[in-house]
Amino acid sequence: TQLLEQSPQFLSIQEGENLTVYCNSSSVFSSLQWYRQEPGEGPVLLVTVVTGGEVKKLKRLTFQFGDARKDSSLHITAAQPGDTGLYLCAGKINAGGTSYGKLTFGQGTILTVHP
Amino acid sequence: DVKVTQSSRYLVKRTGEKVFLECVQDMDHENMFWYRQDPGLGLRLIYFSYDVKMKEKGDIPEGYSVSREKKERFSLILESASTNQTSMYLCASRLVKTGTGDGYTFGSGTRLTVV
Repeated sequence: TQLLEQSPQFLSIQEGENLTVYCNSSSVFSSLQWYRQEPGEGPVLLVTVVTGGEVKKLKRLTFQFGDARKDSSLHITAAQPGDTGLYLCAGKINAGGTSYGKLTFGQGTILTVHP
Repeated sequence: DVKVTQSSRYLVKRTGEKVFLECVQDMDHENMFWYRQDPGLGLRLIYFSYDVKMKEKGDIPEGYSVSREKKERFSLILESASTNQTSMYLCASRLVKTGTGDGYTFGSGTRLTVV
């Protein structure tokens, strides 16, 4: 059972365009993280959101956590070829004191930005 | 910066071999994790360890075991490698702090091919 659904799975756009990636679940998460992974490397943490309704900005990237803490979005403004990569959302379910920081990952969104 | 080092970037093993994947982190993190990453399936948790000599099964532990004799090292063992264990294996670590906002630090991954 996939607890986190990411969409779209693939995104191919031109440099300068805007895009949004969605991460949805039926479960409530105590926190949600976004990672970016380049080919041949491990994922790198971009941001963590904790509070329902929270919005965080990282240069041209805007991250939002849903009010009910069941969904999140990543918006990139004026995408550049350097943004190309696999974007992963990951959530920590609030399952009491035994989760030990376990994260559940979405399937990922492969973004390609063409010059 | 925290560094998570996986001993091999690429491995080719034969069916039936016992395979050891090693992971070392240098920042005294309590939690360590092993994931496998397959196209369309995202990252799936194999095993995790919340502290030295402690281990818990993840979502897909069958065919794998782990060892954590020292805090900095977390080993994944394929008892008898099979072709369906061909995958990218990612190790991650996490510092335990109060609160829920701590992300993972990933290694660069080991691409294992079982022939």
